[in-house]
Amino acid sequence: NAGVTQTPKFQVLKTGQSMTLQCAQDMNHEYMSWYRQDPGMGLRLIHYSVGAGITDQGEVPNGYNVSRSTTEDFPLRLLSAAPSQTSVYFCASSPYDSNQPQHFGDGTRLSIL
Amino acid sequence: AQKITQTQPGMFVQEKEAVTLDCTYDTSDQSYGLFWYKQPSSGEMIFLIYQGSYDEQNATEGRYSLNFQKARKSANLVISASQLGDSAMYFCAMREYNNNDMRFGAGTRLTVKP
Repeated sequence: NAGVTQTPKFQVLKTGQSMTLQCAQDMNHEYMSWYRQDPGMGLRLIHYSVGAGITDQGEVPNGYNVSRSTTEDFPLRLLSAAPSQTSVYFCASSPYDSNQPQHFGDGTRLSIL
Repeated sequence: AQKITQTQPGMFVQEKEAVTLDCTYDTSDQSYGLFWYKQPSSGEMIFLIYQGSYDEQNATEGRYSLNFQKARKSANLVISASQLGDSAMYFCAMREYNNNDMRFGAGTRLTVKP
């Protein structure tokens, strides 16, 4: 009963490095999303997808890239890491119906030095 | 653009008492859903309760109830008979049916005192 799996759980990067945060779900959910959580600001939506091949920008998309080649996977790419991207990142998924709650992964704690 | 406001950064409640966490929202859509999540210190996001904009009755889930006042655009969470394990961050969120992206408030940190 895996649900939403995020890897890695922790990561330290140097400024300018790139990396990919992985997210996979095994519930056949159409909707997947990425959030970042910073103190005092709640969760802010980075990108989301309503199905394979379809992605859209959220509230804070700059510096991040996503793709959705399969229903199960929704990786988040940091193109050139900046200290301002130090945060906790959450991936979530749900059925397409927007009356359904999102299921969250355990988060990735990312530090950019 | 939708917006969620939680005006209480922190709240304290005595064990076994009830507490209300405030949430107001702003949307021009008629169809939307409101959600509350709990985030304990371990960091995971736990879904608590859902209210649809067309639901006429307030949602309830065990000790959680949602005080939904559509005209005032508020969706307050009421926790009855607070327990020490209720100490956590609580987030209000909204998802518009046409827009399909879920937005969160800044959260309220609830501390339950023994």
